Amino acid sequence: AQSVTQLDSHVSVSEGTPVLLRCNYSSSYSPSLFWYVQHPNKGLQLLLKYTSAATLVKGINGFEAEFKKSETSFHLTKPSAHMSDAAEYFCVVSDGSGFQKLVFGTGTRLLVSP
Amino acid sequence: GAVVSQHPSWVICKSGTSVKIECRSLDFQATTMFWYRQFPKQSLMLMATSNEGSKATYEQGVEKDKFLINHASLTLSTLTVTSAHPEDSSFYICSARITGAKGYGYTFGSGTRLTVV
Repeated sequence: AQSVTQLDSHVSVSEGTPVLLRCNYSSSYSPSLFWYVQHPNKGLQLLLKYTSAATLVKGINGFEAEFKKSETSFHLTKPSAHMSDAAEYFCVVSDGSGFQKLVFGTGTRLLVSP
Repeated sequence: GAVVSQHPSWVICKSGTSVKIECRSLDFQATTMFWYRQFPKQSLMLMATSNEGSKATYEQGVEKDKFLINHASLTLSTLTVTSAHPEDSSFYICSARITGAKGYGYTFGSGTRLTVV
């Protein structure tokens, strides 16, 4: 079965410093991987996705992620954090079933201080 | 493109009443929709998968008679919480799978905060 592990429940950074949110996945096939962001009491917004094309994926708002098969990782990065980046981030894998259900990580709360 | 509109954004209801949540795909046809429940500070839990014109597939432990899902058209899926109780209070989110001309991925509604009093 497919699964994702988000290694940090909380990450705190200062505005202007780099962001690293870690995600490891487990999959018996070549997975589709996603990063979503959720602001309080809001739905989810897609930041970026990997679907077996380029391993370095660029997303919105300056975020990017690199798919590393050898490390089964899909870490999310941003060179310089902004206050508006403070939110909950979910790493997600498609389970490969006929319905292609999504399997969510437990989430990482990003805190950005001035 | 590929927008899902979810209504209402919040609702308060009395115990024992039913509440209907709607999700509409505005600019594409959603063959498959997913319904999630999210408890405070937790991840999303898949409740059920619905396909247009057929019965929903519920995840283990989800009461299908309590959480009625209807996907009667390619642009509308509804979740009805029947005989709601305070323990049903939660954040409910729908999602549609995108394929074809819109690309591949998933788009989410903005969520419904249900409070049962």
